[in-house]
Amino acid sequence: QKEVEQNSGPLSVPEGAIASLNCTYSDRGSQSFFWYRQYSGKSPELIMSIYSNGDKEDGRFTAQLNKASQYVSLLIRDSQPSDSATYLCAVNKAELTFGQGTILTVHP
Amino acid sequence: NAGVMQNPRHLVRRRGQEARLRCSPMKGHSHVYWYRQLPEEGLKFMVYLQKENIIDESGMPKERFSAEFPKEGPSILRIQQVVRGDSAAYFCASSPIGLAGEYEQYFGPGTRLTVT
Repeated sequence: QKEVEQNSGPLSVPEGAIASLNCTYSDRGSQSFFWYRQYSGKSPELIMSIYSNGDKEDGRFTAQLNKASQYVSLLIRDSQPSDSATYLCAVNKAELTFGQGTILTVHP
Repeated sequence: NAGVMQNPRHLVRRRGQEARLRCSPMKGHSHVYWYRQLPEEGLKFMVYLQKENIIDESGMPKERFSAEFPKEGPSILRIQQVVRGDSAAYFCASSPIGLAGEYEQYFGPGTRLTVT
């Protein structure tokens, strides 16, 4: 089992829809969880961090964490074409362990 | 407030040469991490450093690769006798000291190494 697994994608949603990205992790001792966005040819950009069970909202983004189920998700509301990118789930002890990423395409 | 800086942005080396990649962390950050992203693959941790200390190098290949973060100056990832399989994007990230154990990491623009 991979340490961090993401839904394989690619995910395609129409503009204005909600995009839902999912991630599971294997290490129950993990404490910190992050979502990064990576445009093609660019570096990862931190968009959300979450440390406690429940929801955390920041603008159009909501991260959800369920430590009992070892599950973390990212919802993007009112998706825009500029949200089209690869989304990386990362879990932290000190160094980050990344999932393979989910490619999101938002079409007009 | 400048972000994480890496140079060079692109580096071309012939097989057998040495590659030196530099990273200056964000102001106020004392933790530096190096990651490698091979073509069509995910990001993989290589090494975690603080000033003058290697904290975790479990992701670093045993041979040819070394890293340092001296008291003064940038962190350096050094690859000796490069081979074609070393061609990848190398990213540096930095983080502050997390008061509650959190370590948000911010990435630099990366160095794209091409070995010919």
